[in-house]
Order: sequence, then structure tokens, then C-alpha cells
Amino acid sequence: EVQLVQSGVEVKKPGESLKIYCRGSGYGFTNFWIGWVRQMPGKGLEWMGIIYPGDSDTRYSPSFQGRVTISADKSITTAYLQWSSLKASDTAMYYCARRDVLTGKTFDIWGQGTLILVSS
Amino acid sequence: SYVLTQPPSVSVAPGQPARITCGGDDIGRRSVHWFQQKPGQAPVLIVYDDTARPSGIPERFSGSNSGDTATLTISRVEAGDEADYYCQLWDGVSDHYVFGTGTKVTVL
Repeated sequence: EVQLVQSGVEVKKPGESLKIYCRGSGYGFTNFWIGWVRQMPGKGLEWMGIIYPGDSDTRYSPSFQGRVTISADKSITTAYLQWSSLKASDTAMYYCARRDVLTGKTFDIWGQGTLILVSS
Repeated sequence: SYVLTQPPSVSVAPGQPARITCGGDDIGRRSVHWFQQKPGQAPVLIVYDDTARPSGIPERFSGSNSGDTATLTISRVEAGDEADYYCQLWDGVSDHYVFGTGTKVTVL
């Protein structure tokens, strides 16, 4: 079964660092781009960035460039999203999603989401 | 950056059709994809490349795209279709992925 499994709920304080993961299985992880999508409470979907695990080529949305770092370790079929200093406004659900190969323009498999709560 | 505009909400009676629009500048020249997101769940791809359906998606879901508007149609709405729906496209100019503002479908 093709799936993306994400890390669990995180409760953090402002200023703390955090790295969440997205582990792929059931397909050739190295050959598919993995994107990250934010969903703030009660709000819509926002594309954050995308990485190609094969060579770690990474692209960022201007809205998130410099605020987060996307990385991947192909040896353990895992992609990461990290913050060096969290803010309360980072409170949201974060999804990873596999970019499809049929169109190369959308996301066909999604992780279950990681909820991040940032509060003092 | 490219903007996709959807109506915030659509209400429809069971068995009736629901149409969800996605507006964007000359969107008909681009490929549009649609996601369904039920409460507490991750989004699910239900239409890709304007009109195609992934395996397992009912034929009741269909898409079209022309001019400045793409449309997702649910031909005969069921209670289980109550969800948020998002359009999405890839902007080749910026190499970015853009989501619409989202539409909440309520089944009366």
C-alpha cells in the first residue's frame, strides 16, 4: 500500500525549534516529489514548498521562504519540515503530499497530517 | 501570484446537483485539480487535469474548465458529500502550486 505517515501532535512554546517528518512507503520514494501544505485552524490549504528526495532539489513558496526548511533522507524514505524558532502563528495542521507522476502538477497521496500547537 | 477564487459555501438538497466554481485569469488554459476534505481528514484528490477521476472516485464527480472558470459538479449530492472542496493548479510561470480559497458544501 502506498502511504505517507507523518509524526504526531506537537505542543511547543514560541521560540522553540521543531522538526516533523513524513515517511513514505509502498512506492519508489526517491522518484517522487514531496510537498508540504499548511492548514491554519478553520482556514484553507497553503502550499509551502516541495522537495525531490532523489537529489534534495527544493523549492519554496515565497510566503514560507526563510521561515521553514524542507529536507529529505532518501535512505530512510523520509522528508522533513523544520522550524528554528516557532511563533504562535505557526499553529496549524501540516500535511505532506506526494506529487503525482501522471500530470506532475498535483498531489495524489497525502499524509494524515501533523498538528502543531504553539503557545506560551 | 496567481489567485484562485471559490465561493465560500454552497448548499444543496440531497439528490440535486451541486456546482462549485473556481475562478482565475484565463484558467481554461491551465490544468485544474480538485480535492475533497472531510472534517478531521486529509484532502483527497477527486478530479485531476480538469476532467479525469482517480480510481475509486464515483462518476457523480465531474469537472470542466473554460475561459476564466473551472467547475466541479456533483451530479446527485449525497449526505456523505458534505465537505470542503478545493481547486488547485500548478503555475508554470512561478513553478508554484496554488490552492483555491475553498468551498464548504452543505447538504440540506
